[in-house]
Amino acid sequence: SAVISQKPSRDICQRGTSLTIQCQVDSQVTMMFWYRQQPGQSLTLIATANQGSEATYESGFVIDKFPISRPNLTFSTLTVSNMSPEDSSIYLCSVDRSGSTDTQYFGPGTRLTVL
Amino acid sequence: QKEVEQDPGPLSVPEGAIVSLNCTYSNSAFQYFMWYRQYSRKGPELLMYTYSSGNKEDGRFTAQVDKSSKYISLFIRDSQPSDSATYLCAMSSGTYKYIFGTGTRLKVLA
Repeated sequence: SAVISQKPSRDICQRGTSLTIQCQVDSQVTMMFWYRQQPGQSLTLIATANQGSEATYESGFVIDKFPISRPNLTFSTLTVSNMSPEDSSIYLCSVDRSGSTDTQYFGPGTRLTVL
Repeated sequence: QKEVEQDPGPLSVPEGAIVSLNCTYSNSAFQYFMWYRQYSRKGPELLMYTYSSGNKEDGRFTAQVDKSSKYISLFIRDSQPSDSATYLCAMSSGTYKYIFGTGTRLKVLA
């Protein structure tokens, strides 16, 4: 498995501001993913971040709202921009440690509340 | 219709009971099937993964996949209060994109 940390673990933000969430992995990984987990709903993939290329966004998510950086093989950031209360959620990063598609490991999550 | 359906629970059982958690799905292209356990205020933890149909056992946990019925199960034997968590099923057709169920909340009573 992989050891994944996220910062911050939680935050309360004001409407219209932005928050950057950091994800750090204990070893190099090819693919990193960002998910959103809203109460009572399933985890939803926001985007996939590969080192050295632009992130790939899923339907319903755009780069202007959720810019992502992937500067190296152990680190990624997700920014939630111009926040509204609807962005209140848990944001999770995950990694594909083995290079296969059947073993994604998740970080502890960032609990975001937007007032 | 959602691609993956999972009963949200909550499911309450006495300690020592056998627990059965289930998901149904509609996409016949799914080949990889995963179960995650998520404790409150924690990230999902990979419990089991299975490729295609069949059973897989790991300690007190058994994962079962029936592709003909588009139905997967996770059985927990001799359930413990420490098993109290939300259990998420996830599926993939072989790409990185997982489709998750909404999770079933399980409470094991001491």
